[in-house]
Amino acid sequence: KAGVTQTPRYLIKTRGQQVTLSCSPISGHRSVSWYQQTPGQGLQFLFEYFSETQRNKGNFPGRFSGRQFSNSRSEMNVSTLELGDSALYLCASSLVTGKGNYEQYFGPGTRLTVT
Amino acid sequence: AQTVTQSQPEMSVQEAETVTLSCTYDTSESDYYLFWYKQPPSRQMILVIRQEAYKQQNATENRFSVNFQKAAKSFSLKISDSQLGDAAMYFCAYRSPGGSQGNLIFGKGTKLSVKP
Repeated sequence: KAGVTQTPRYLIKTRGQQVTLSCSPISGHRSVSWYQQTPGQGLQFLFEYFSETQRNKGNFPGRFSGRQFSNSRSEMNVSTLELGDSALYLCASSLVTGKGNYEQYFGPGTRLTVT
Repeated sequence: AQTVTQSQPEMSVQEAETVTLSCTYDTSESDYYLFWYKQPPSRQMILVIRQEAYKQQNATENRFSVNFQKAAKSFSLKISDSQLGDAAMYFCAYRSPGGSQGNLIFGKGTKLSVKP
């Protein structure tokens, strides 16, 4: 079974621009979560989507948004990029069970550099 | 709010030796999940081991085992017979059981070096 895939793997953008990152979960997984990883702040939760609905959101400004499609693929968008948005953005997919999500499997990440 | 603390920013171990990475957490919940993830340099985050809070038995996966002390809110990872490929950042993570709170809360990580 194929793992979580993320595209693109690397991205360089300029301040003020916007960017869209994509994540394809493991087949059968309907939950997709996004995390931002930086050396200073570590791993921080952005949001989670399940069945095309955002059901959990971290403490990030409204410039960060996402969506999920009917095939469970997810995109996240960052508008008006700031230098501080430079980070590794990780996507994780999860098989939802009767007790909620269980294990999360991570993709390789998208390395975003804002100049 | 739940928090996860990894007090050892860096650790070092000799190949074939045993090393223990520490993790403590704070929560008021009685049911939850705990995980250890491994992130090799420039490589993908990999799930190493998981522990359900309602299980008293410590989880084991080959050379990896945990010491779960629920009352002390401690969740350490022991790596036996360390190998060069174990060199990585190790993250401890907490997750609430509810479906609407499925996000992982991570510690800052411990960088493990393995000396040949």
